[in-house]
Amino acid sequence: DGGITQSPKYLFRKEGQNVTLSCEQNLNHDAMYWYRQDPGQGLRLIYYSQIVNDFQKGDIAEGYSVSREKKESFPLTVTSAQKNPTAFYLCASSQRGLIGFGSDTQYFGPGTRLTVL
Amino acid sequence: DAKTTQPNSMESNEEEPVHLPCNHSTISGTDYIHWYRQLPSQGPEYVIHGLTSNVNNRMASLAIAEDRKSSTLILHRATLRDAAVYYCILRLAGNQFYFGTGTSLTVIP
Repeated sequence: DGGITQSPKYLFRKEGQNVTLSCEQNLNHDAMYWYRQDPGQGLRLIYYSQIVNDFQKGDIAEGYSVSREKKESFPLTVTSAQKNPTAFYLCASSQRGLIGFGSDTQYFGPGTRLTVL
Repeated sequence: DAKTTQPNSMESNEEEPVHLPCNHSTISGTDYIHWYRQLPSQGPEYVIHGLTSNVNNRMASLAIAEDRKSSTLILHRATLRDAAVYYCILRLAGNQFYFGTGTSLTVIP
């Protein structure tokens, strides 16, 4: 089965701690994305990566960091600098990425719900 | 930024067709129209996309106005499993997806 996996499904963090969310895909997609979703809101882009060892900030990158050492993996670290990290985090991938055609579609993982205690 | 406008919520009876509208008056000639849906506590799921012509797939149909300033997602027979938030998005090559708040569809048994 091809797809995107995110782990863990639920994550609890104490204030002041960094935490890393996992995202893996076996779709052989070039591009990967991280979004944040707050209750009743749409998705906001945190970071995206079009190729291994390269990534760009999205609209709300402050307090987050990412790495892209392998094509299949795009972990997101929520640092203590993120003032309000409680949210639903979604990882996605697409075949060609932002430099691709407008018909390029995104495939999403099941999400990680992060709660800061 | 290319933006879309959708009603906040809609209701439909089970097994009846549903027409979900979307206005995108700022669309440019190369913008693709994408629709995704999101079930509660899940990631969004791709539904359909198109550029100029109407499109059909196993999930839905997409009707695009001749001037491309609006489009309609058509679910031919709504089921309870179709209850979700539906997002209409413009996707331009070299740009990102913009997800708004979408339309929350309630299906009444």
